[in-house]
Amino acid sequence: DIQMTQSPSTVSTSVGDRVTITCRASQDITNYLAWYQQKPGKVPKRLIYEASNLENGVPSRFSGSGSGTEFTLTISSLQPEDFATYYCLQHNNFPRTFGQGTKLEIK
Amino acid sequence: EVQLVDSGGTLVQSGGSLRLSCAASGFTFSDHHMDWVRRAPGKGLEWIGRIRNKANSYTTEYAASVKGRFIILRDDSKNSLYLQMNSLKTEDTALYYCTNLISDSWGQGTLVTVSS
Repeated sequence: DIQMTQSPSTVSTSVGDRVTITCRASQDITNYLAWYQQKPGKVPKRLIYEASNLENGVPSRFSGSGSGTEFTLTISSLQPEDFATYYCLQHNNFPRTFGQGTKLEIK
Repeated sequence: EVQLVDSGGTLVQSGGSLRLSCAASGFTFSDHHMDWVRRAPGKGLEWIGRIRNKANSYTTEYAASVKGRFIILRDDSKNSLYLQMNSLKTEDTALYYCTNLISDSWGQGTLVTVSS
C-alpha cells in the first residue's frame, strides 16, 4: 500500500499568512494526487486535482504543485474561511490513501 | 442537482453487523464508480472501498482495515449504494460517507458507534 505522509499536522497561523502543506508518497504516484478541505460539520471539498489543477470556484490563493512522491498545497494569503483541516489523497493505486491531515488554527 | 443521502448509522455492539445505505439522485448512478470514506472521532479521513460500475463488472476494492469484514454492494435499479459491515470493532466507530470521488460528490454522512 502507498503511505501518504502529510506535514505539518497542525499550523498556528494568522490571516494574511502564506501556508504550505506537504505530502510525501511512499512510492511514485505520478500526479494522481488531490487536496481536500474539511470544515467542522461539513463534508470534504476537493480543492485541487491531479496535483496542480484548481477546481472550479476555488479561490486562486490556493495552488498545488509536485509530482512523483512530493507534493505541496500552498495558500498564498490566508482568509478567515480557510481555517479548516486539509488532506491529500493519492488515487494512483488501490487502496486509496489519505494523508493524516493538517489543521490550520488561528494564532 | 447531484444528491447522495446516507442512512443506517446507529449504535451497535462489538461483533455485530450493520448495513449502511446511500440513495443517489441527480445523475446516472449506474455509470459511476462509488466509494465509501469514513472519519473516526478525532482522526482523519480513511478511504474504505470502491465498487465499480456494471461496465467494470461491479468489481470492488477495499482498505486492509476492513477487507474480509465489509462488503460494498449496489443496486442500480434503486440508485442505491450499500455498505455491509460485519464483525464490527470499536475502532469502526466513525462518520461514514458515501462518495463519488471522481466527481467530488458526498453524502452528508451517517454515524456508526460500536460499543464494547
